[in-house]
Amino acid sequence: AQKITQTQPGMFVQEKEAVTLDCTYDTSDPSYGLFWYKQPSSGEMIFLIYQGSYDQQNATEGRYSLNFQKARKSANLVISASQLGDSAMYFCAMREPGYSTLTFGKGTMLLVSP
Amino acid sequence: DAGVTQSPTHLIKTRGQQVTLRCSPKSGHDTVSWYQQALGQGPQFIFQYYEEEERQRGNFPDRFSGHQFPNYSSELNVNALLLGDSALYLCASSFRAASQLDEKLFFGSGTQLSVL
Repeated sequence: AQKITQTQPGMFVQEKEAVTLDCTYDTSDPSYGLFWYKQPSSGEMIFLIYQGSYDQQNATEGRYSLNFQKARKSANLVISASQLGDSAMYFCAMREPGYSTLTFGKGTMLLVSP
Repeated sequence: DAGVTQSPTHLIKTRGQQVTLRCSPKSGHDTVSWYQQALGQGPQFIFQYYEEEERQRGNFPDRFSGHQFPNYSSELNVNALLLGDSALYLCASSFRAASQLDEKLFFGSGTQLSVL
C-alpha cells in the first residue's frame, strides 16, 4: 500500500490566488512527522513545512500552511498569494519512528500563470 | 555556508558500466542519505550513511553500494548499470542520522544519470 498519496498530477493557479495541494498518508504508528518539499527545475528539494502528529496547531511558514486532519490522515499544503516562482513540483513526505528516512509521494506539478 | 554539493551534475554511461557519484554534506551535518528519483516519480530511498557505516537501506539491489569518508562526504557506486538505473540521484544531509522525527533533510541538486 502507498504510504503517501498525492492524487493531483498537476494543478494550475493564477498569480496571487491561493491553491491547495492534497496529500493523504497511511501509517499505524501514532507518532510520525509530515513534510512538504518543493522541487524546482534545478532539481534541488527545498524544505517548506513540517507537521508533527502530536502538534495541536496546523503548521505555518510564511505563505505556506498545512491543513492537518489527523482523523482523515490528510496533510494538505496551502499556498496563499501564489507567485510565478512557486511553479515547481511539490512532494509530500512522511517519517515514522525508527526510520530516519523520508517516504515521498509521487508529487504534484504546480503551474502559476500571470 | 555551503549547502549540499553533488558531482557530477550530469553523466552518460552505457549498460554494464560502473558509475560513482559524489556528495558533500551541508556544513555541520554528519549523515548522508541517497535517493533515486525516476522521471515522474518521487525520490526513493537507497541508503543512509552515518559514522562511516551504512545504517539503513531501502529496497535496492547490492549493485548499489556506498561509502562515507571521515570528513562525512559520501560516494554512491552503481555496478553493472541497467537502462532502468537512469534517474536523478539526490543526496541529502542531516545531523545524527536524522533520528528526530522533525529533523529536516537538506538536498543537493542531484546527479542526472543517463544509461544508454
